[in-house]
Amino acid sequence: QQQVKQSPQSLIVQKGGISIINCAYENTAFDYFPWYQQFPGKGPALLIAIRPDVSEKKEGRFTISFNKSAKQFSLHIMDSQPGDSATYFCASSGKGGGNKLTFGTGTQLKVEL
Amino acid sequence: NAGVTQTPKFRVLKTGQSMTLLCAQDMNHEYMYWYRQDPGMGLRLIHYSVGEGTTAKGEVPDGYNVSRLKKQNFLLGLESAAPSQTSVYFCASRIGIAYNEQFFGPGTRLTVL
Repeated sequence: QQQVKQSPQSLIVQKGGISIINCAYENTAFDYFPWYQQFPGKGPALLIAIRPDVSEKKEGRFTISFNKSAKQFSLHIMDSQPGDSATYFCASSGKGGGNKLTFGTGTQLKVEL
Repeated sequence: NAGVTQTPKFRVLKTGQSMTLLCAQDMNHEYMYWYRQDPGMGLRLIHYSVGEGTTAKGEVPDGYNVSRLKKQNFLLGLESAAPSQTSVYFCASRIGIAYNEQFFGPGTRLTVL
């Protein structure tokens, strides 16, 4: 089974700080790399996604950095807010086979005041 | 537009009992997925469907069966529940091959005693 390795497992950041979560993938055929955000008791929701033809994508306070040669990508949350406290999952998928998403194990982020 | 809905929200089963989880989407999506979420393991794909009348195995299909008789519904069945199937189950749907975003339902928390 192709894996997506995610770290750290948990993260505590002060309000206004930068949260950084990292993921590494194995399958070079993956061509879609999303980050999902999940609040307690809810289903995951797409936060931001990137394709391997760009090295960075920014949407508001959220940025994905992508390193194709290292097979790594990361999520940066600038000016972290208490409302960002949630579990974040990275994922990867390729063409065919229903474009299945392979998820990382999740990072529990807590933003403290 | 309700999005993706799941029935029931909670269920407790005894070992050996059977049950069916229902996922419904009103977005006319072609692709549908069933995941299970366990602590520290992220989301793992059980089965998926790329259209009405089609199903395929995911990463952890053993002990589960699925059916997609109608485009809007995707059913997940447990024929003989085991304690190892205690988990939170999420259904997701996706427009089709052109768009990658998966929309998740609110989840079903299943406990098998």
